[in-house]
Amino acid sequence: GAGVSQTPSNKVTEKGKYVELRCDPISGHTALYWYRQSLGQGPEFLIYFQGTGAADDSGLPNDRFFAVRPEGSVSTLKIQRTERGDSAVYLCASSPPTDTQYFGPGTRLTVL
Amino acid sequence: AQKVTQAQTEISVVEKEDVTLDCVYETRDTTYYLFWYKQPPSGELVFLIRRNSFDEQNEISGRYSWNFQKSTSSFNFTITASQVVDSAVYFCALTSGTASKLTFGTGTRLQVTL
Repeated sequence: GAGVSQTPSNKVTEKGKYVELRCDPISGHTALYWYRQSLGQGPEFLIYFQGTGAADDSGLPNDRFFAVRPEGSVSTLKIQRTERGDSAVYLCASSPPTDTQYFGPGTRLTVL
Repeated sequence: AQKVTQAQTEISVVEKEDVTLDCVYETRDTTYYLFWYKQPPSGELVFLIRRNSFDEQNEISGRYSWNFQKSTSSFNFTITASQVVDSAVYFCALTSGTASKLTFGTGTRLQVTL
C-alpha cells in the first residue's frame, strides 16, 4: 500500500515568511508524528497526534510552530515568522497505536 | 529522560567485511522499545527492527543481526558480509514508558566500498 507522503519535497522561503508543510499518513494509522532533522543529527521529536488531538507537543520549540490534524488523517505543520535556524528536514511518521513508526520522505525547508 | 548514544560517527569497510554498529541507551522505565532505522542517501528513514525490553533474544534477519543486552544497556547491530548497498546512515532509537515519541541517537554513517 501507499506509504507516508509529504508535500512539498522542498520549500525555500525568506526569513519572516509563513510556511505550511503537509503530511498524508498511511491509511488507517491513527498516530501521526512530526520530527525535525538538522544536518548531521538524528531526528528530533516535535509533536504527536492520536486521532485529531495533539497528545504530546512538548517538542515544539516555540509558539511560532503549530500543527493541526482536523479530521484525524492529514496533518499540517505551520511555521510563522520563519527564521534561518528553522532550516532543516521536517519528517512525518505514522503508526497504528503504540506501534512502529513509518516515515515519509521529508520536506527540506530552507529559510534564506 | 531517555538518551541514545551512538559513539561511532563514521565507519568505512570494504565489501564483504562484517561490521557492528554500537548503540547504548538510557532510560528509567522498565518498559521500553528499541529500534534501528536506515537512512540511505535518498533521505527516507527505513524501519529495520523493533525490540521490546522484555525480549532479550538476539535476532537474525538475513545478513542483519541484533544483540540486545540489558546488563550493558546496549542494542548493537551487525551486518555480515557488507555490500555497497548497505552504505547509509543508521540510527538507533528508543521509546520509553508511556511516551510514544522516538528518541534518536546521532547516527552512524556506514561507507562500504568495493
